[in-house]
Amino acid sequence: DTGVSQNPRHKITKRGQNVTFRCDPISEHNRLYWYRQTLGQGPEFLTYFQNEAQLEKSRLLSDRFSAERPKGSFSTLEIQRTEQGDSAMYLCASSSRGAVSTEAFFGQGTRLTVV
Amino acid sequence: KQEVTQIPAALSVPEGENLVLNCSFTDSAIYNLQWFRQDPGKGLTSLLLIQSSQREQTSGRLNASLDKSSGRSTLYIAASQPGDSATYLCAVIDAGNMLTFGGGTRLMVKP
Repeated sequence: DTGVSQNPRHKITKRGQNVTFRCDPISEHNRLYWYRQTLGQGPEFLTYFQNEAQLEKSRLLSDRFSAERPKGSFSTLEIQRTEQGDSAMYLCASSSRGAVSTEAFFGQGTRLTVV
Repeated sequence: KQEVTQIPAALSVPEGENLVLNCSFTDSAIYNLQWFRQDPGKGLTSLLLIQSSQREQTSGRLNASLDKSSGRSTLYIAASQPGDSATYLCAVIDAGNMLTFGGGTRLMVKP
């Protein structure tokens, strides 16, 4: 296992279309996070899972956004009826609920462009 | 609500200089603090994790310190190289393992 994997790396879509991103975390990690990052800003929290349970959602996550982690392994983030304001880098991270280290590891991100 | 600030927002230095990046946070009840590097258009690469019981961590030319009581962390880069050019992000981690990021410092090291 070489780290957190995100697909696709880039996505260009027309306004109003639906898009889905996938994240495969490090295999033994039980926590998975989604963040969004716009140009020149730090990442902003969207949601996170512990195993298959979605424990917290940001107010940034409107009803057009939905995330799943059905078997506690990979996760998907879907955006319905995309808007130009959704254009951003979507980052996934995973971490282990270890006793000592809670280091988070990030994937390479999915860059979404809504035209 | 936790707020994380990084100063300066951008920094340009000649190769070989030692430099310090600053990170401050408003709520000292943090669990850990993590420094990341981000190259343009890429994801985040973890550099150092400092646990709340530690005061510093070192990795190669990097040294990160943490002062919880004053809500501050610094990342020290020794003998900077052009390959160090990137954005450096700090994130505080709370007891629920949530990461809150600062806005980053964009570093350029000129040959």
